[in-house]
Amino acid sequence: DADVTQTPRNRITKTGKRIMLECSQTKGHDRMYWYRQDPGLGLRLIYYSFDVKDINKGEISDGYSVSRQAQAKFSLSLESAIPNQTALYFCATSDRRGQPQHFGDGTRLSIL
Amino acid sequence: AQRVTQPEKLLSVFKGAPVELKCNYSYSGSPELFWYVQYSRQRLQLLLRHISRESIKGFTADLNKGETSFHLKKPFAQEEDSAMYYCALRDSGAGSYQLTFGKGTKLSVIP
Repeated sequence: DADVTQTPRNRITKTGKRIMLECSQTKGHDRMYWYRQDPGLGLRLIYYSFDVKDINKGEISDGYSVSRQAQAKFSLSLESAIPNQTALYFCATSDRRGQPQHFGDGTRLSIL
Repeated sequence: AQRVTQPEKLLSVFKGAPVELKCNYSYSGSPELFWYVQYSRQRLQLLLRHISRESIKGFTADLNKGETSFHLKKPFAQEEDSAMYYCALRDSGAGSYQLTFGKGTKLSVIP
């Protein structure tokens, strides 16, 4: 089945470390998104990409960067992790109509 | 800027009772609204969208532009409905198609 895969599923790291979260998809979708989910705050958009050459900031992009290496791959980086970036991170994809968005299983990131 | 408000963080109902999960929005254009659901240990997934006017798993939602609401309803709650529910609004302005999510409501159905 076509899918959205996130790696790693869980990560614990220390403040100041550089971290990369990866997302790959076999759905053939053009659009990819990164969200973070915090208890009581819901999902907030970090970055989104319409294709390999089109990357856009979302609501909370500060402290994050992304790379769209190919249509199927969209990675999220934390250059110098800080504890308030501890959250559940979701990757999602969609076709050009934008809906529905298909989500991965999430990466649980803990920064000590 | 658009905003989605889900006033209840937690909603507990007994099995067989009616359920209404509230969602209000603010948006200057013509909104597109969705409900997403996240069951325990599962991915977030689309439940329904207002343009489809469909019923999924017994849930319906009607867009009320006058009240700027998109409440999710089910006449008889089931235990398997226990999950986190998110209302979302799509920003179609300038072709961005971003989704803005509410903070979510956790539905707990008591046996």
